[in-house]
Amino acid sequence: DSGVTQTPKHLITATGQRVTLRCSPRSGDLSVYWYQQSLDQGLQFLIQYYNGEERAKGNILERFSAQQFPDLHSELNLSSLELGDSALYFCASSLPSGGTVSSNTGELFFGEGSRLTVL
Amino acid sequence: AQSVAQPEDQVNVAEGNPLTVKCTYSVSGNPYLFWYVQYPNRGLQFLLKYITGDNLVKGSYGFEAEFNKSQTSFHLKKPSALVSDSALYFCAVSPGFQKLVFGTGTRLLVSP
Repeated sequence: DSGVTQTPKHLITATGQRVTLRCSPRSGDLSVYWYQQSLDQGLQFLIQYYNGEERAKGNILERFSAQQFPDLHSELNLSSLELGDSALYFCASSLPSGGTVSSNTGELFFGEGSRLTVL
Repeated sequence: AQSVAQPEDQVNVAEGNPLTVKCTYSVSGNPYLFWYVQYPNRGLQFLLKYITGDNLVKGSYGFEAEFNKSQTSFHLKKPSALVSDSALYFCAVSPGFQKLVFGTGTRLLVSP
């Protein structure tokens, strides 16, 4: 058990809809990362938050947005869903409070993912 | 931009034999290199990392990886494969304290 919790585990919805995926990082971790895993694109970095602020952005579509709340949990919002958005969405966390950014060597702790199916 | 390449989609090995899963990287500056494993319907699990120091890094479950700067490689190895090692293995690179960039993954199949 990595200590990272993601909900829901499975989600089936229709094209055009909007969904929210939730992530609770390991206790005390300040950084949260979102990744998308699909068969054709592999594991793609979407976005990173550090202590509530956006830190890095990857291949995230404009239809997608995320945020990290004061209690450090994060949500990934996916809107105007398309069939191609069907994928496994992973959240990962790192960097316990008390550590420094420069001491963070990048080891991530992943949740078990939220499987999104768009019909 | 940093990237990793895993040239093999699948590696097949018999139980008890040594295994190697290949990874090459491209990054400006000193690389932070990682191996992760993903079992079916599970998240990725950290195996090992190279930051600095010895080129041979030992990790979880008997795995090790050899960092070769001249060949820009970071191959994952295990002296004796187990059927339970069958999984999807990802190599990843980070320029330091930022997002990880993952390779496309290599499926390892260990036959009894």
